[in-house]
Amino acid sequence: KAGVTQTPRYLIKTRGQQVTLSCSPISGHRSVSWYQQTPGQGLQFLFEYFSETQRNKGNFPGRFSGRQFSNSRSEMNVSTLELGDSALYLCASSLEGRSGNTIYFGEGSWLTVV
Amino acid sequence: AQTVTQSQPEMSVQEAETVTLSCTYDTSESDYYLFWYKQPPSRQMILVIRQEAYKQQNATENRFSVNFQKAAKSFSLKISDSQLGDAAMYFCAYALPFGNEKLTFGTGTRLTIIP
Repeated sequence: KAGVTQTPRYLIKTRGQQVTLSCSPISGHRSVSWYQQTPGQGLQFLFEYFSETQRNKGNFPGRFSGRQFSNSRSEMNVSTLELGDSALYLCASSLEGRSGNTIYFGEGSWLTVV
Repeated sequence: AQTVTQSQPEMSVQEAETVTLSCTYDTSESDYYLFWYKQPPSRQMILVIRQEAYKQQNATENRFSVNFQKAAKSFSLKISDSQLGDAAMYFCAYALPFGNEKLTFGTGTRLTIIP
């Protein structure tokens, strides 16, 4: 079956703009989570959604937001982009979002802010 | 807050040899999960192995095994018979049982395989 799909894979934005990234989980998976990966901060948890509800949130400013649709697809949005938002954004899905479940990651969306 | 530490930024090993990657963590919880993830140049995170803290037996997956020392809060990954395809960044990660997929990652170890 198809894996976790993230779009777009690469994008370049200007400071002050906003961006929306999309994630389609593996079919049947109801939990979707997002991570930011940068050389300086490493991998950091952004948030997790299950059945259209945000269940967990990392320590990021309110400019970072997300949502999940009824088909489990998820989007994350970053408003008023800053240079420091340049990163690889990884989406992950699992059946129910419990740590006993296997978590599958997508290949990520590379965001460059100029 | 839980923290995960990987003290080896880079490691290298001769093909077919064995290498061990180190990971320590800090937590006050007694029940949790530990993971090793591999991130090849494609950047897709791939689960290598998972350990449940309440299980004393060390997890193994083919050529990959762990040495889980709960009292010492240590979780090392041993790769036997190293192959060129094992070259990647390896991340150690921690999660609570009902942590709703919140993984806390270490800083990673870049593993190079020497032919």
